[in-house]
Amino acid sequence: GENVEQHPSTLSVQEGDSAVIKCTYSDSASNYFPWYKQELGKRPQLIIDIRSNVGEKKDQRIAVTLNKTAKHFSLHITETQPEDSAVYFCAASKRDYKLSFGAGTTVTVRA
Amino acid sequence: DSGVTQTPKHLITATGQRVTLRCSPRSGDLSVYWYQQSLDQGLQFLIQYYNGEERAKGNILERFSAQQFPDLHSELNLSSLELGDSALYFCASSPRTGNNEQFFGPGTRLTVL
Repeated sequence: GENVEQHPSTLSVQEGDSAVIKCTYSDSASNYFPWYKQELGKRPQLIIDIRSNVGEKKDQRIAVTLNKTAKHFSLHITETQPEDSAVYFCAASKRDYKLSFGAGTTVTVRA
Repeated sequence: DSGVTQTPKHLITATGQRVTLRCSPRSGDLSVYWYQQSLDQGLQFLIQYYNGEERAKGNILERFSAQQFPDLHSELNLSSLELGDSALYFCASSPRTGNNEQFFGPGTRLTVL
């Protein structure tokens, strides 16, 4: 099955700085890569996604890049704010649509 | 609010018992997915239903079962509960198979004592 690895497991950044989270996947058939943000005790919330026919996607302060050849994708958050503090999960899926998640990255934005 | 609802929010029960978790997908969504989130295992896919039929299975224990009803709501049944079954159980829905976007409900926190 699909194996998704996510790094780093924790990330502390100064407010206003950028944060980058990286994921790798094992199954070359995977074609959909979403990112979820989860605050403590709450549901995972879809923040951005990318499909395998696109190399980069941006939505305001967040962007995702995909390198199909290397089988890795990354989340970039610019101008971080305290409300960006949360656990971020990457995931991958293919035609069976079930999501295989990374282990998560706890992001702390220091004021 | 994703539009996906789950009940109950919290459930506390004893080992050996059986519980039922309920999920109502977003209006118009045909697919329902169940995930388990525990501290040591992260988010794990359990099972998917599409328009009433089982579509995919993940790491779901034989003690667990699920179904999707004609009105598209889904129930996850957990039996012979063990301490290790304590976790957050999320359901997610998506419009149709072929559209990968999944929207998660608020989850049910299960505590087995």
